[in-house]
Amino acid sequence: EIVLTQSPGTLSLSPGERATLSCRASQSVSSSYLAWYQQKPGQAPRLLIYGAASRATGIPDRFSGSASGTDFTLTITRLEPEDIAVYYCQQYGSSPYTFGQGTKLEIK
Amino acid sequence: QVQLVESGGGLVKPGGSLRLSCAASGFPFSDYYMSWIRQAPGEGLAWISYISNSGSTIHYADSVKGRFTISRDNAKNSLYLEMNSLRAEDTGVYYCARHALRRIAAAPRDSWGQGTLVTVSS
Repeated sequence: EIVLTQSPGTLSLSPGERATLSCRASQSVSSSYLAWYQQKPGQAPRLLIYGAASRATGIPDRFSGSASGTDFTLTITRLEPEDIAVYYCQQYGSSPYTFGQGTKLEIK
Repeated sequence: QVQLVESGGGLVKPGGSLRLSCAASGFPFSDYYMSWIRQAPGEGLAWISYISNSGSTIHYADSVKGRFTISRDNAKNSLYLEMNSLRAEDTGVYYCARHALRRIAAAPRDSWGQGTLVTVSS
């Protein structure tokens, strides 16, 4: 089973700042089959990024993903109050399709 | 547009059973793999099971293997999760989600239902 470890657990930033969220895999993720999801309070998760770096339909270009080996990064530029959420990474290359434990993004 | 609507959640005693349903619309259901994903109260997301578009391939997380059964009825555009021998740790919101690519397991989950709450408690 691939274990995904996200850091930090909580990130508190001001509007307009840049957020950098990390997801480290315990082993290689097939073909960069790594996705990022955003979950706002009381809502279902929403797909943001797939294939480590491709934005899903309708996702603003403030959100970007990158990969380096087993390290994956979600970057959110120009933070807005609406970005308050928990962000999860997930590998979907091999079963079981594990999720990271999440990073909670707070806006000061 | 794509719509997924879960139902069937509720309060059940430990050792009991429950059947969840997910009604799909807005896309050719029979072309897509589907998954169930669980979220315990205040916790993160945990993948539970997936089923291929035809129903011929099924995988489960170890935590539910032997107790839960995923199935689908493509004629009714519906996905199901039969849950038996329920435990307190099965409590949570259960989401159904579509795999983004037709007939492919290795795809992100691009559409999610609103979830249905299952509470296992005496």
